[in-house]
Order: sequence, then C-alpha cells, then structure tokens
Amino acid sequence: GNSVTQMEGPVTLSEEAFLTINCTYTATGYPSLFWYVQYPGEGLQLLLKATKADDKGSNKGFEATYRKETTSFHLEKGSVQVSDSAVYFCALAGGTSYGKLTFGQGTILTVHP
Amino acid sequence: DAGVTQSPTHLIKTRGQQVTLRCSPKSGHDTVSWYQQALGQGPQFIFQYYEEEERQRGNFPDRFSGHQYPNYSSELNVNALLLGDSALYLCASSDLSGQGINEQFFGPGTRLTVL
Repeated sequence: GNSVTQMEGPVTLSEEAFLTINCTYTATGYPSLFWYVQYPGEGLQLLLKATKADDKGSNKGFEATYRKETTSFHLEKGSVQVSDSAVYFCALAGGTSYGKLTFGQGTILTVHP
Repeated sequence: DAGVTQSPTHLIKTRGQQVTLRCSPKSGHDTVSWYQQALGQGPQFIFQYYEEEERQRGNFPDRFSGHQYPNYSSELNVNALLLGDSALYLCASSDLSGQGINEQFFGPGTRLTVL
C-alpha cells in the first residue's frame, strides 16, 4: 500500500535560517503529492502540491519538487519566520488510493526570534 | 465563501457511549472525507462519501459509520466508544466533478475525549 515517511522531528531553527523537511513516499502508479500545515488548535491547510514528476509546488516562500527517481518531495524555505512555527505534514493521493490522502507522521517546526 | 465547518468543537464521552459528529463541506464541493488524528500523529483516513454513498474506506472497524445528505453535509457516527477513540476528527471536502479531485480542504476538527 501507499506510505509516506517524514524526517524525524521536532525541528528548531532561528529566524531567517534555511529549512528542509525531508519526505519520501511509496506508492503504485502516479500519485499527487502535498504539503499541509497545521497551526496550533486548527485544522490542516494545504501549503503546496505537485501532481506529476518534476513539478515544483510553491507557496508563501515554501517550495517542494516532485522527484520520482528518488520518490521524494522535500519541503524547503530559504528564510523562516517565527510565524512559520507549526506542524508540517507530507501527504499523497491517487495511484491506487484514489481520493484518499495518506499522511506522514508530521514534523513539528519551532522558529525562535 | 464559507469553508468546511464542523460541529461540535469539543466533545467528552464515556466508554461504551455513541457519538455523532457533523460536517458541512465547502460551497461547491460534493465529496466529504473523514480522518482521525491521534495526538502527535498524522491523520488516518476513515472513509469518503460521494453521492450519498460510502465510496472508499480505511482500516477502521464497523463501529465507525457515516452518512451523507443530499445537501452534501455528512455525519460520522462512532458506537461503543473506546478510550483509544480519543482524537481529533477532521472532515475534508473536495470536488470530484471538477479538476481538483485530490485537493481536499479541511475543517477545524472536533476534539473527542473518551473517559
């Protein structure tokens, strides 16, 4: 079945530092890939997505590239802010799991001033 | 444009009881999915409803059941509650008839505590 593995967390950074959160996946077919963000006490918000190999999703300074050869979708941001502190989830859908999102375990990001 | 709404926000029940959670999808969306998010974990897919039918189901027991109404709103019912059912229950809506078939919009969730 489909699965998503995120890097072990939590991640603690100083403001303006570079962020990478690793995500790898296992899936049959050609899934779509997503990053969702969850702020304290809230539901999930879609941060960015990519629907085919080599696509780059981007939003609010965050980027991730769909790498089929390495089955990865790593999240990056060049300069984090305190307001980026949240839990980040990598997810996939499609392939054999049409309509169903499969999530990673989440990575807690804390950014200090 | 209202997003996905869920009610109630919080709920406390005791073991063995039954609970009903409610969800109204984003305007224009016809598909509702339910997820269970245990503390410190990623959401786990429970099931999805489209055209008032359960379209797909995850690895959850029959104690978990649902319903979708003609206006696309949905309910999640859990019978014979166990302590392990304590979690944040998330509803997500999407538009199967359009292009964003895999883009799901989430509600704020219902926090269920089973004592």
